[in-house]
Amino acid sequence: AQSVTQLGSHVSVSEGALVLLRCNYSSSVPPYLFWYVQYPNQGLQLLLKYTSAATLVKGINGFEAEFKKSETSFHLTKPSAHMSDAAEYFCAVSEKGGSYIPTFGRGTSLIVHP
Amino acid sequence: DSGVTQTPKHLITATGQRVTLRCSPRSGDLSVYWYQQSLDQGLQFLIHYYNGEERAKGNILERFSAQQFPDLHSELNLSSLELGDSALYFCASSVGQGFMETQYFGPGTRLLVL
Repeated sequence: AQSVTQLGSHVSVSEGALVLLRCNYSSSVPPYLFWYVQYPNQGLQLLLKYTSAATLVKGINGFEAEFKKSETSFHLTKPSAHMSDAAEYFCAVSEKGGSYIPTFGRGTSLIVHP
Repeated sequence: DSGVTQTPKHLITATGQRVTLRCSPRSGDLSVYWYQQSLDQGLQFLIHYYNGEERAKGNILERFSAQQFPDLHSELNLSSLELGDSALYFCASSVGQGFMETQYFGPGTRLLVL
């Protein structure tokens, strides 16, 4: 069985500060891992995904995430926050070799202060 | 704009009623996925169609059904509606049939059951 835990339903940062959104997963087989962003009144947009190539994955809008198998983590980072990064972020896991049906975390709301 | 369209944007109906949500995938995409986003359950996968055939089922209630038509648009039918069915319903599309593929999400249909 697979599951995802996003630590912190809200994360608040100042503009220009480091963004760190945490995601831990549980999976009985090697996973695919995803980060999505949802802006108000919009659908989800894929930021990046891990599919067993490089463990450090670069995505859009300056975000990146590192797959750490030993820690079962896939934290999302961005060196410098912009006001436009304020949104809801979702981590998701999908098990390889299984049904591939994704399980989503509950989401983390990123608040960026000027 | 993801290229995925969903109609209607908003829907208000009463308990016991039946509604149909429509999704048009991006041009060239053969897969359509349906998701439900609610405050209680978070974001959940409902069902996946590829080129007209059902490929995977998630947490979809028996009162719900879907289909994908020859022109690749999809409809999600919700019947005997209950208050708890109030949610945002998203569809997404991708070129192929794997969950590891990039999915493009529509803006969603917001359903309110009174």
